[in-house]
Amino acid sequence: DAMVIQNPRYQVTQFGKPVTLSCSQTLNHNVMYWYQQKSSQAPKLLFHYYDKDFNNEADTPDNFQSRRPNTSFCFLDIRSPGLGDAAMYLCATSLAGGETQYFGPGTRLLVL
Amino acid sequence: SQQGEEDPQALSIQEGENATMNCSYKTSINNLQWYRQNSGRGLVHLILIRSNEREKHSGRLRVTLDTSKKSSSLLITASRAADTASYFCATERDFGNEKLTFGTGTRLTIIP
Repeated sequence: DAMVIQNPRYQVTQFGKPVTLSCSQTLNHNVMYWYQQKSSQAPKLLFHYYDKDFNNEADTPDNFQSRRPNTSFCFLDIRSPGLGDAAMYLCATSLAGGETQYFGPGTRLLVL
Repeated sequence: SQQGEEDPQALSIQEGENATMNCSYKTSINNLQWYRQNSGRGLVHLILIRSNEREKHSGRLRVTLDTSKKSSSLLITASRAADTASYFCATERDFGNEKLTFGTGTRLTIIP
């Protein structure tokens, strides 16, 4: 089945230790998104790719970076995680911008 | 500030009753979407309604859109325990914007 896959589902890291979250899709969608969601809050868009074009949200901290080496994969790198970065990280895809988004199950990040 | 705000923030009803959630937004939109999120999971798309549409149905779901009032409602009829989840509205502000802005969400609890 076509889907959006996120690995790992749970990630524990130490304060300041770089961590990478991964997302892959079999939908062949042009657009891939990364959201941060904290408890009982709305998903907050960090950045998105339209094909290879990277779009950063103005309020996304420099500590967060992303890579999209090909259509199928997208990575979220947190260079120096702080306690405030503990959250659920959601990856989503859409065929075209603004249309239906398909979400992965998320990666819950815990920072010790 | 949030583009979309849901009302109420939390709603508890008996199984079999209808549930109505409202979403208000601030700027003109191209489309409005509703998503469901079960606890600790990714979001699942429910319905997309375009700015030139007033009502859409999907199974037990009915969505209305009033662009003059900048508001939308999601009605779930004959609720089931499995409908317990958080529901988010999301708006695409301009055609081809490539991203959605999510509302604050309504936490729906169905009491068996």
